[in-house]
Amino acid sequence: EVQLLESGGVLVQTGESLRLSCAASGFTFRNYAMTWVRQAPGKGMEWVSGINNRGDSIYYADSVKGRFTISRDNSKNTLYLQMNSLRAEDTALYYCAKNFADLPHQPFDYWGQGTRVTVSS
Amino acid sequence: EIVLTQSPATLSLSPGERATLSCRASQSVSSNLAWYQQKPGQAPRLLIYDASNRATGIPARFSGSGSGTDFTLTISSLEPEDFAVYYCQQRYKWPLTFGGGTKVEIK
Repeated sequence: EVQLLESGGVLVQTGESLRLSCAASGFTFRNYAMTWVRQAPGKGMEWVSGINNRGDSIYYADSVKGRFTISRDNSKNTLYLQMNSLRAEDTALYYCAKNFADLPHQPFDYWGQGTRVTVSS
Repeated sequence: EIVLTQSPATLSLSPGERATLSCRASQSVSSNLAWYQQKPGQAPRLLIYDASNRATGIPARFSGSGSGTDFTLTISSLEPEDFAVYYCQQRYKWPLTFGGGTKVEIK
């Protein structure tokens, strides 16, 4: 059974940094691209970032480019999102999602339950 | 950025009725469109990918159609568990984008 367990979400102040983690199990992690998607309170979905299976092809939404860094450790079956210079508009539930295949533009076939990030001024 | 516009914003229907949800793209996305279902307090679930392919375990009452800029998700006969919010998402061009969602509520 595929499981994705996000962690690291907390309440932080504007300008601070945070690292989210997503522990994956139930599939061969190194074979699949992974993605972060966020959902602000009461709002719709926003794609944040995607990374291919090897970690050498990475994409970001313009809203986070230059501030967020996605990475993965295939030896630990874990996906990360380093979030710097946090803003109030980054407040959201952050989901980790598994892509269909090795490329990060593929559909998201499994999702975690999310980890909540709140940025307060 | 490709903008996806979903309509209607809310659909009020009774169990057993047919639901037709629309997603329109600001430019062609070929068939690179997916549909997700989200229930309150839950993570989204993939229903349809590449416009018309049902994901694993998705009941046959869910179907998708369309290509280019106009897409439709149809639920042939609503079950109580189908009342939820539905999002379309394109993977044709970076950045990947989602529509604003359609809420299917019980009438």
